Amino acid sequence: GENVEQHPSTLSVQEGDSAVIKCTYSDSASNYFPWYKQELGKGPQLIIDIRSNVGEKKDQRIAVTLNKTAKHFSLHITETQPEDSAVYFCAASPHYGNNRLAFGKGNQVVVIP
Amino acid sequence: GAGVSQSPSNKVTEKGKDVELRCDPISGHTALYWYRQSLGQGLEFLIYFQGNSAPDKSGLPSDRFSAERTGGSVSTLTIQRTQQEDSAVYLCASSLEGARGTDTQYFGPGTRLTVL
Repeated sequence: GENVEQHPSTLSVQEGDSAVIKCTYSDSASNYFPWYKQELGKGPQLIIDIRSNVGEKKDQRIAVTLNKTAKHFSLHITETQPEDSAVYFCAASPHYGNNRLAFGKGNQVVVIP
Repeated sequence: GAGVSQSPSNKVTEKGKDVELRCDPISGHTALYWYRQSLGQGLEFLIYFQGNSAPDKSGLPSDRFSAERTGGSVSTLTIQRTQQEDSAVYLCASSLEGARGTDTQYFGPGTRLTVL
């Protein structure tokens, strides 16, 4: 099955700087790559996703890039703010007729004011 | 509109007892998923329901785990004879139509299960 790896496990950045989280996946059939943000005591919330027919997607301060050849995708957060502090999960879904997501182990992002 | 809801939010039980966890998906969503999140880990897929199709149970860790989805809406995850390693946050998600493989999943707040 699909195996998603996520690095680094913890990332500390100064407020205003950029944060980048990288994920790799193993199954070349995967075609859907969402990113979720999870705050303490809450369920994961989708922040951005990308499908395999595009290489980059941007939504305000958040962007995701996808390299299908290398099988990796990255989350970029610019102008970080304290409220960006959370755990971020990447996931991948192969098109096998259902939508089960394979998740990475998560990155703890800490934005230092 | 209302999101995915789960109950209870917290459950403490003794080893060997059975527990039931409930999920109310977003109205109109045909696909429903259960995941498990152990401390410091990512989400582990458990089971997937899509409409009237047979559920994908391939992620259930043992035969002590089972789930139902009645009337295409509410789902119940049952863990029999709980063990300490079952302690985790159990998350439910729903999507409009899971079969396309690119459908957004919306998560509930989870049920934190602690087995003493």
